[in-house]
Amino acid sequence: DGGITQSPKYLFRKEGQNVTLSCEQNLNHDAMYWYRQDPGQGLRLIYYSQIVNDFQKGDIAEGYSVSREKKESFPLTVTSAQKNPTAFYLCASRRGYGYTFGSGTRLTVV
Amino acid sequence: EDKVVQSPLSLVVHEGDTVTLNCSYEVTNFRSLLWYKQEKKAPTFLFMLTSSGIEKKSGRLSSILDKKELFSILNITATQTGDSAVYLCAVEHPYTPLVFGKGTRLSVIA
Repeated sequence: DGGITQSPKYLFRKEGQNVTLSCEQNLNHDAMYWYRQDPGQGLRLIYYSQIVNDFQKGDIAEGYSVSREKKESFPLTVTSAQKNPTAFYLCASRRGYGYTFGSGTRLTVV
Repeated sequence: EDKVVQSPLSLVVHEGDTVTLNCSYEVTNFRSLLWYKQEKKAPTFLFMLTSSGIEKKSGRLSSILDKKELFSILNITATQTGDSAVYLCAVEHPYTPLVFGKGTRLSVIA
């Protein structure tokens, strides 16, 4: 079955550590996106990529980094510069209209 | 700046009630408006609306778009506890990511 796989589902991070969230898709979609979701905030765009080896900052890119070396993969690194990283992170891809979403990663800073 | 505003932000109803969720938007180069349902993790697609005045229906759910007044409504009739979720509205324009509202949290109690 085609889809988007995010891993891990739950992630705990100590303050000051970098962590990387995985997002893999086998839908042959060109565009991929990372959103952050906090309670009562909806989805806010972190980064997006419309083609391999190219990506753009979204509305809340500070403290995050991404890479797009392969069409199938769009990992997100949460760096120590992100002051409040505890949130639910959603990855999505698109070809044409609408998005396909992954199941998300819940990141908690301990 | 593109803006999508949903109301109410939360709503509690009893089973069997009918609810109307609202979404207004200010977006340049509008292409479509999408509704998603998010229960625990990945948002799932409900409707895509591109033309004014044409109602989309799926079972007890229906939605309509007014491009002149820049809003959409999502109706749910005969609500069930399984309708409890966050309902997200998003607006799409060509070549850029979806812009999401903050969502409406619907709770249906027996």
